Amino acid sequence: DTEVTQTPKHLVMGMTNKKSLKCEQHMGHRAMYWYKQKAKKPPELMFVYSYEKLSINESVPSRFSPECPNSSLLNLHLHALQPEDSALYLCASSQGRTVEAFFGQGTRLTVV
Amino acid sequence: AQSVTQPDIHITVSEGASLELRCNYSYGATPYLFWYVQSPGQGLQLLLKYFSGDTLVQGIKGFEAEFKRSQSSFNLRKPSVHWSDAAEYFCAVGARTGNQFYFGTGTSLTVIP
Repeated sequence: DTEVTQTPKHLVMGMTNKKSLKCEQHMGHRAMYWYKQKAKKPPELMFVYSYEKLSINESVPSRFSPECPNSSLLNLHLHALQPEDSALYLCASSQGRTVEAFFGQGTRLTVV
Repeated sequence: AQSVTQPDIHITVSEGASLELRCNYSYGATPYLFWYVQSPGQGLQLLLKYFSGDTLVQGIKGFEAEFKRSQSSFNLRKPSVHWSDAAEYFCAVGARTGNQFYFGTGTSLTVIP
């Protein structure tokens, strides 16, 4: 199984809503990532978890809150987002130092 | 500082023609190198990777890439493009220590009949 599964595929939320994005992998990877991608732009790294611990936070606003409940799951909790946060949110995983990342299909988020 | 440059923002080729997408990187040591492809609204799919050894690497969908240390380049090639190859292509550099990728700005490929 070389899949990274993200849910939901699409999400529309108001600026006062709280929602969560979910990501799951069963490849035994110990590093998991959240990326944000705007149209026609490369993915921008948001967070990295290594062995279920947050190892990198790329100065992401606190309205984005990551969580890694176990080695297979990664969540991104969203609260009080702004319209400019609308983007494709990608989850990825890798087996540590091989740094070969596998990406999910993404969640298309629209903030209204 | 690490950086990845893809000089061509957009390329148009005819179906059946050959393709070369350019990638140059700046890194303190030899990094891990990757090419990913992304269809509209989709995630990124790994085409190929270079870690060490043979500098010409083969990937999926008939793609290959050549690592040239002297030029700090990792160009992607395909001898005959298919209409289904139309997509966004990203070159990426990975640190040999740690867990970070650095993506280039991407090259958008259009294939005309």
